[in-house]
Amino acid sequence: DAGITQSPRHKVTETGTPVTLRCHQTENHRYMYWYRQDPGHGLRLIHYSYGVKDTDKGEVSDGYSVSRSKTEDFLLTLESATSSQTSVYFCAISEPGHPGVEQYFGPGTRLTVT
Amino acid sequence: RKEVEQDPGPFNVPEGATVAFNCTYSNSASQSFFWYRQDCRKEPKLLMSVYSSGNEDGRFTAQLNRASQYISLLIRDSKLSDSATYLCAVLAGNNRKLIWGLGTSLAVNP
Repeated sequence: DAGITQSPRHKVTETGTPVTLRCHQTENHRYMYWYRQDPGHGLRLIHYSYGVKDTDKGEVSDGYSVSRSKTEDFLLTLESATSSQTSVYFCAISEPGHPGVEQYFGPGTRLTVT
Repeated sequence: RKEVEQDPGPFNVPEGATVAFNCTYSNSASQSFFWYRQDCRKEPKLLMSVYSSGNEDGRFTAQLNRASQYISLLIRDSKLSDSATYLCAVLAGNNRKLIWGLGTSLAVNP
């Protein structure tokens, strides 16, 4: 299994509070992704990074920000959590060319916003 | 039309059966395709990559039909442990993102 960890694994927070989720990898892969997964919507890309300090928005980026100051860490921040951000959040990594562009996922974080 | 579409199922099959799922994609320029397996409340795990006409790994075969723009996943001799959701993903044009289907649910029954 790819060396990807996510923390915390579970979190319950209140509406309006800031939340930061962390993704840590030991594979030295350049690309990192944050997804959310909700019933009926499948995996939706929030933000991704193609290198240190290089990030781009995905299809559902509103209300989220990211930072990547080191290859191994990709942080997802909800500046002011809302109930619509209750979801399961997955981090994924990829290294183009090794062998292709396959993505490998972390175990996920279950976030509940009350 | 969605970029990647899958029949949500559920597919209910007996042990030992052969079952096939299709995944259609809209971008005819797509070059790379993937099948993932996701168990309930777990992360998606890569099952197979398809870069040319197809790929085979044991009981699993993936085939690409470029003319009709779909990829298929064939599972032979189904096991109870094959019960899961199977996600299809297609590499986006910028080569940095995957476009995901919503998944097909499979239940293998004793």
